[in-house]
Amino acid sequence: DTAVSQTPKYLVTQMGNDKSIKCEQNLGHDTMYWYKQDSKKFLKIMFSYNNKELIINETVPNRFSPKSPDKAHLNLHINSLELGDSAVYFCASSQERGGGNTIYFGEGSWLTVV
Amino acid sequence: AQSVSQHNHHVILSEAASLELGCNYSYGGTVNLFWYVQYPGQHLQLLLKYFSGDPLVKGIKGFEAEFIKSKFSFNLRKPSVQWSDTAEYFCAVSPSNTGKLIFGQGTTLQVKP
Repeated sequence: DTAVSQTPKYLVTQMGNDKSIKCEQNLGHDTMYWYKQDSKKFLKIMFSYNNKELIINETVPNRFSPKSPDKAHLNLHINSLELGDSAVYFCASSQERGGGNTIYFGEGSWLTVV
Repeated sequence: AQSVSQHNHHVILSEAASLELGCNYSYGGTVNLFWYVQYPGQHLQLLLKYFSGDPLVKGIKGFEAEFIKSKFSFNLRKPSVQWSDTAEYFCAVSPSNTGKLIFGQGTTLQVKP
């Protein structure tokens, strides 16, 4: 079983559309994250939730809205998609919120906005 | 601002050559250090990590890294690379109690058979 699973793996959509990416972890972890990897492969954190509470919110357009219905799920909703949103989005989780925890990544969701 | 710098952007080696990838970070406090690998088309996998103790850490697939606190460095090494090591390598730092990973820009390693 995949520890951190996200769907869809590939998504091609038009500018202006609204889309969601879902993420689930079965590791029993308390903390979940969304990272964005751009076309130059640079990885940057977007959000982090601990037990359904938002704890990290980096400088991300408010078109991006994370939702955590429970601590095993963290979904990412994107409104009014723009060309620059094309990237790979990685969901991740860790046991606790501290820096001393290993972060486990999902397989990524390749988003292409046309 | 906290940052991580990987000196080599693209490294090309022949099989059996030795590898060293540089990583430096800028943060004055206590940090935890990681190396992740991303094989083509796949997700990030943890190679090794340093939290405390022996500054020379061993990871999977024969990789090791050495934390040198005075140099703010955490270089990755492997004595003899294989074609299957072709991948993207990311150094990452997590300042204690922040809960986030700060990544370097990655190093593309290409191993020629």
